[in-house]
Amino acid sequence: DQQVKQNSPSLSVQEGRISILNCDYTNSMFDYFLWYKKYPAEGPTFLISISSIKDKNEDGRFTVFLNKSAKHLSLHIVPSQPGDSAVYFCAASVSNYGQNFVFGPGTRLSVLP
Amino acid sequence: DGGITQSPKYLFRKEGQNVTLSCEQNLNHDAMYWYRQDPGQGLRLIYYSQIVNDFQKGDIAEGYSVSREKKESFPLTVTSAQKNPTAFYLCASSTIRDPAYEQYFGPGTRLTVT
Repeated sequence: DQQVKQNSPSLSVQEGRISILNCDYTNSMFDYFLWYKKYPAEGPTFLISISSIKDKNEDGRFTVFLNKSAKHLSLHIVPSQPGDSAVYFCAASVSNYGQNFVFGPGTRLSVLP
Repeated sequence: DGGITQSPKYLFRKEGQNVTLSCEQNLNHDAMYWYRQDPGQGLRLIYYSQIVNDFQKGDIAEGYSVSREKKESFPLTVTSAQKNPTAFYLCASSTIRDPAYEQYFGPGTRLTVT
């Protein structure tokens, strides 16, 4: 049973518009969440994180929103750029249980020029 | 430059052979991890180590073995007991801190077993 779900395998967005990537989790003990971006044949790179004590975290064009009651988080990219085309993974952890993250299956974002 | 290196980038082996994937980091991180990625799936944890000479099994450890003799190195051996070894293998490292912090990933090794 997947504890972290990304129900959209792929998403296409026009350049300059907003990209919204969604992630749902089932384990209510998760209290720390990260988003990673991955290009083909490369390792994932860290994008942004959020702790459960917050409901929003911003870093430049990237904003992550956390809705704890719904066990849902989303990554907003504004404005989207062609270089944002990649697979985005959501990951979750119980922060006082070591450093082990559970990763979602990823969403492939295509930003069209 | 600080980072994580994995070698080789591509590896081919015959079925029945053990193969060892290298992972080195110079970030002075205490923790290191091995993940496997299959098409359409997220990263699945194989083994992790939070301190030298100690490691724990992840979700899919069967058919794999690791060692952590040095802080900088965490090699993964894919044994002949692993039933589906063809995959993209990713090594990562992180500090040990509370709350959890991000893991830094290497470029990965694509293993093909025929």
